[in-house]
Amino acid sequence: GQNIDQPTEMTATEGAIVQINCTYQTSGFNGLFWYQQHAGEAPTFLSYNVLDGLEEKGRFSSFLSRSKGYSYLLLKELQMKDSASYLCAVKGSNYQLIWGAGTKLIIKP
Amino acid sequence: TAGITQAPTSQILAAGRSMTLRCTQDMRHNAMYWYRQDLGLGLRLIHYSNTAGTTGKGEVPDGYSVSRANTDDFPLTLASAVPSQTSVYFCASSGGDSGELFFGEGSRLTVL
Repeated sequence: GQNIDQPTEMTATEGAIVQINCTYQTSGFNGLFWYQQHAGEAPTFLSYNVLDGLEEKGRFSSFLSRSKGYSYLLLKELQMKDSASYLCAVKGSNYQLIWGAGTKLIIKP
Repeated sequence: TAGITQAPTSQILAAGRSMTLRCTQDMRHNAMYWYRQDLGLGLRLIHYSNTAGTTGKGEVPDGYSVSRANTDDFPLTLASAVPSQTSVYFCASSGGDSGELFFGEGSRLTVL
């Protein structure tokens, strides 16, 4: 079967760094996405990885290892507004997205 | 730019009634999607359309139907609502360099 695993909830401190992991088992791989979703709002695109390695975009970075079926999202210099759910999604062999259940990130002052 | 507009924002519906959720995009994207989001579960694909005039079934299509008469509009219809269809529904289209999804603001549907 196809599966995306990510932690249900994480807590971090304002100004710190947090890493949200995502592991996947899918039939085929055509890229991995990270989205941010604030409570009661729509998901918004953060990053896309299709090749192994690190993609950096401001305070956010995303890493991919296709051989390990593993990705992480790294958030630096955490701000209170980063409190949100972070969704990992893999584009499978049929080019449709398979979604993880999301990681709720709680930022404490 | 409006992006994707969904309506209604929220609705309470009696079981057995029909309902159409509207979705309109102004980005001229070919592909559009309907997802439902339930607590503790990932987004689940209901139906999709790769281009105007074509539609396909996603992971959870039963009880739902869609049409794609033109590029901009992609309505989702529940013919006879059941309580298990209580959910938040998101319409999306895909574009950009990586084909990322752009989401509407969601429609919260409660079926009693």
